[in-house]
This record gives sequence, structure tokens and C-alpha cells, in this order.
Amino acid sequence: AQKVTQAQTEISVVEKEDVTLDCVYETRDTTYYLFWYKQPPSGELVFLIRRNSFDEQNEISGRYSWNFQKSTSSFNFTITASQVVDSAVYFCALSEAGGQNFVFGPGTRLSVLP
Amino acid sequence: SQTIHQWPATLVQPVGSPLSLECTVEGTSNPNLYWYRQAAGRGLQLLFYSVGIGQISSEVPQNLSASRPQDRQFILSSKKLLLSDSGFYLCAWSRRRADTQYFGPGTRLTVL
Repeated sequence: AQKVTQAQTEISVVEKEDVTLDCVYETRDTTYYLFWYKQPPSGELVFLIRRNSFDEQNEISGRYSWNFQKSTSSFNFTITASQVVDSAVYFCALSEAGGQNFVFGPGTRLSVLP
Repeated sequence: SQTIHQWPATLVQPVGSPLSLECTVEGTSNPNLYWYRQAAGRGLQLLFYSVGIGQISSEVPQNLSASRPQDRQFILSSKKLLLSDSGFYLCAWSRRRADTQYFGPGTRLTVL
């Protein structure tokens, strides 16, 4: 069965600090996809990144970077030099190629204080 | 480009009243469509998904139902709302199964 764990319920950092959000997943499929979404206070889920199971290259997009490690079943998300606008709930999600639906983690609430 | 709309944005309804939330997608055809609910401070719960017109799969037995009368229209309904139906309802679409899901702006429902 597929499962996504985000052990950090809430994180608070001061602006300009780096912060890493953890995501650990479980799946029996060899082909699967991992996602990160951001949910700002407005509520809409914003897609950030998708990574397939055959691509373990780390990705960087501006201040955001993602570290995918199949050996530890983790897909962690780092924000460098955090800003107040980064304050949101962040969800990690998993979908299996042979499945229909996503499994979302419980989310991590990030508060960036000025 | 594709866009997804939901309305209304907010809704306050008395217990026992009916409900109809609408979701439409533009700029794509034959999308997979999804309804999620998010209780206050909680994670996302998949309620229904649809792979085509008239095809609805329910993930959680409950007081709600869904319909897909047109290719890009997905409706969430209830005949009689319960207090526990309060929450934030999100509609999403994807091109294929297991593919990236794109979410609408959501409807915040309060049942009093």
C-alpha cells in the first residue's frame, strides 16, 4: 500500500534562514511519481514539482531545491533564504503508475517570521 | 492554457439544506476530475473521482454524491447537509491517471 509521511507538523523559521521539509514515502510499485504542493492561506493548492521514480537527479528552481533519494524513500524539499511569502502548508504526494489516485501526506505548516 | 473554476467561493448553509458545488475545466478535453475535502487544519481527503462523463468512483461512503454531466463539468451534491460536511472543498483535474493534479481555488463550506 502507498503511504506518505511528513513527520514535521509545524516549522517556524526566521526570514533568510534555510529550511528543509521532510517527506518519506512507501510504495511497492517500481514506477511512481512524487509531488510537492504549496497551500498558501488563500487555500488553493499550487503545484511545485513532479519527479518520477527513474529520475533521481536533484532539482533546483530559484530558492527551491528537492533531494530525491530512493535508498531512503525520501523526497525532501529545501527552501533557501526563506521569505515571509513562503509561509504556507506544504504537501508531499505520491502516485503509482498502476494506480488512479494520489496519496497526500498530512502536510507541514511553515511559518516564516520577519 | 488550462484553467479550473470552482463556485461558489464561500457558502454558509443550515443543517439539512441541499448542496451543489460546481467545478469546470477549460482548455483540455477528457480530463480526470477529482473532489477533495479538507477539514480545518487537516489533510486532504479524496471524495470522488471521474475518468469520463457519467463515470464516478466514490472513495468514502458519506452524505455526498458527485455527477459529471459534461466532459469538463464536475458537480458535488448533497440532499441534506450535516454539520460534519463543513470544510474546504477542492476540485482538481489531471490529464491521465497518476499524472499531476491541478487544483481549483476551492469552496469554503460552513454548515450551521
